Amino acid sequence: EIVLTQSPGILSLSPGDRATLSCVASQSVSSSYLAWYHQKPGQAPRLLIYGASKRATGIPDRFSGSGSGTDFTLTISRLEPEDFGIYYCQQYVNSVFTFGPGTKVDLK
Amino acid sequence: QVQLQESGPGLVNSSETLSLTCKLSGDSLITYYWSWIRQTPGKGLEWIGYVYPTGHTAYNPSLKSRVTISADKSKNQFSLKLTSVTAADTALYYCARGTMVGDRWFDPWGQGILVTVSS
Repeated sequence: EIVLTQSPGILSLSPGDRATLSCVASQSVSSSYLAWYHQKPGQAPRLLIYGASKRATGIPDRFSGSGSGTDFTLTISRLEPEDFGIYYCQQYVNSVFTFGPGTKVDLK
Repeated sequence: QVQLQESGPGLVNSSETLSLTCKLSGDSLITYYWSWIRQTPGKGLEWIGYVYPTGHTAYNPSLKSRVTISADKSKNQFSLKLTSVTAADTALYYCARGTMVGDRWFDPWGQGILVTVSS
């Protein structure tokens, strides 16, 4: 089973800061099958990025995704107050979807 | 606007069957793939499986022996059955729309329903 590792586990930042989140897969993943989600407390995850670098509908351009193979990155250029929460990466390999453990972005 | 709403019992007895339904509005079940995903503090997000309106299904191998997902096009809803539940199946259960053509993603998700397995 493919494993996704996200780092850091917790990122303490201030509004206006740049956030860089990492997602590393235990084996190569098709970029088409890599997505990122944001979850706020008490809410369901919300799709941010799909196909490793494509923004979902309504997602502001301060969010960007990059990477290929086993290493993927989500970047938030300037944090807004509503961006705090947990970010998950997701992949699809061997007919199974798996999610990473998440990176929590909290207020410094 | 596409919306999904989970419903079902919030409490299930150990060894019994967990049954949930996801009602779709703003879209038709005849397109896309429809998944169940659960979330626990210990294991995080876990994909359970999906159904395509033709009846085609796929399940997570870790749950495959206990899971059935089905679709009812006439009611625009799909359902999850998980048999022989234990405390480990206590989780927040989400339904979500997905795709199996091109990119793979889940959007949107339902608000989730907490299911507790009681011993």
